[in-house]
This record gives sequence, C-alpha cells and structure tokens, in this order.
Amino acid sequence: EAGVAQSPRYKIIEKRQSVAFWCNPISGHATLYWYQQILGQGPKLLIQFQNNGVVDDSQLPKDRFSAERLKGVDSTLKIQPAKLEDSAVYLCASSLGQGNREQYFGPGTRLTVT
Amino acid sequence: GENVEQHPSTLSVQEGDSAVIKCTYSDSASNYFPWYKQELGKGPQLIIDIRSNVGEKKDQRIAVTLNKTAKHFSLHITETQPEDSAVYFCAASMQSNYQLIWGAGTKLIIKP
Repeated sequence: EAGVAQSPRYKIIEKRQSVAFWCNPISGHATLYWYQQILGQGPKLLIQFQNNGVVDDSQLPKDRFSAERLKGVDSTLKIQPAKLEDSAVYLCASSLGQGNREQYFGPGTRLTVT
Repeated sequence: GENVEQHPSTLSVQEGDSAVIKCTYSDSASNYFPWYKQELGKGPQLIIDIRSNVGEKKDQRIAVTLNKTAKHFSLHITETQPEDSAVYFCAASMQSNYQLIWGAGTKLIIKP
C-alpha cells in the first residue's frame, strides 16, 4: 500500500513570495490533515478535511494560508505572501475516518523563507 | 482545551537498557493516545496506540500504559537498539473531533 505522498520535499523562497504544497493521501482515506511543524516542536494542526469539506480550520492563518481538497482526494496548501516565521516543515496526514483514528503521515515539505 | 505535557525532553540510555517516556493530559474526555516516532527528515510514524478502555498494550519491544485516574500514559521501550534513536511524540485525542493534541517530543539517544 502506497503511503502519503507530498511534494516538493524542499522549497526555499523569499519573504512575500507565494508557495504551494501538494499532498496525495493513502487511497480510500477520507480524512486529510495539514500540520505545521516548527523545528523542535510537535506538529500543529492547520486544517482538517473530511472528503472535500473542511472540518476545522480554526488554526489556519486565513489572511495568508489557504487549502483545498476539491475532489476529496489530493489537496494543496498555499501561502501567499510568505513571512519569515512560516519557515517550518509542512506535514500532510490522512486517516480512514469513520471511527478509524490512526493518522499516517507523509515525509513533509521543508520550507525556508529568507 | 486539551493540553499534553511530555517528559523528559531528552533521554540518553545505554544500548540494551530500557527507556521510558511519560505524558500527562488535562482533559478527561480524551480517549485515544498514540505514540509517534520521527526520524530526521521524515514524517512521524505511528508506532503504538492505546484507547481508554485498555490499561496496557504491548508490541514486541514497545509497550504503552495508561492511567486514566491520574491522566498519564507512558511509552516503554525494552532492549533498546541504535535504530531506536529518534524523537518520540505522544498525543491525545477526544471522541468528538479526532484531532490530536501533541506533546513537545522526547529526543531518545541510544549510546553504543
């Protein structure tokens, strides 16, 4: 079974530029999560999708971050414009949903904002 | 809301010895407690989890114990090996939204 795929693996941009990350969850997983992990900390949830609907985006900085999962499968997370403090690893995770709570993570995208 | 505290932040043990990492949670409604291992440059990997209707769960060299009354749970790794070196995270989740609240992580170092 293929795991969660993410791309790109690394990205370096200047502040005020925009960037997009892509995630393809495990096949059949209804729930998709985007996390931000700052060096030395645990992951922080940004947004949770159930199929193509948003379950929780209360911690997503909506003035600069956006995310979509239009067909209920893969998802993109965008930052526009980026700030220095956005430097982090962006992790995507998926779970089956329907009472199944195990979350499986992709390798992450390491973003450096200069 | 839920808060998860994890100790220690760094743990160094001799190869072959046991390692124990402890977490406490604040919300008694939490009922699912996973542990993740994160190696450098990789995403977190689920290694074991426990639900609130169970006190202990084992899988080969790793085990997790849960004390609901005291609201704490622990990860035990026996016969540690060099490949156990990583950062370990505990988390807690409630039935209502399945979201994970994470501890700050423990860097486990296995000394040869």
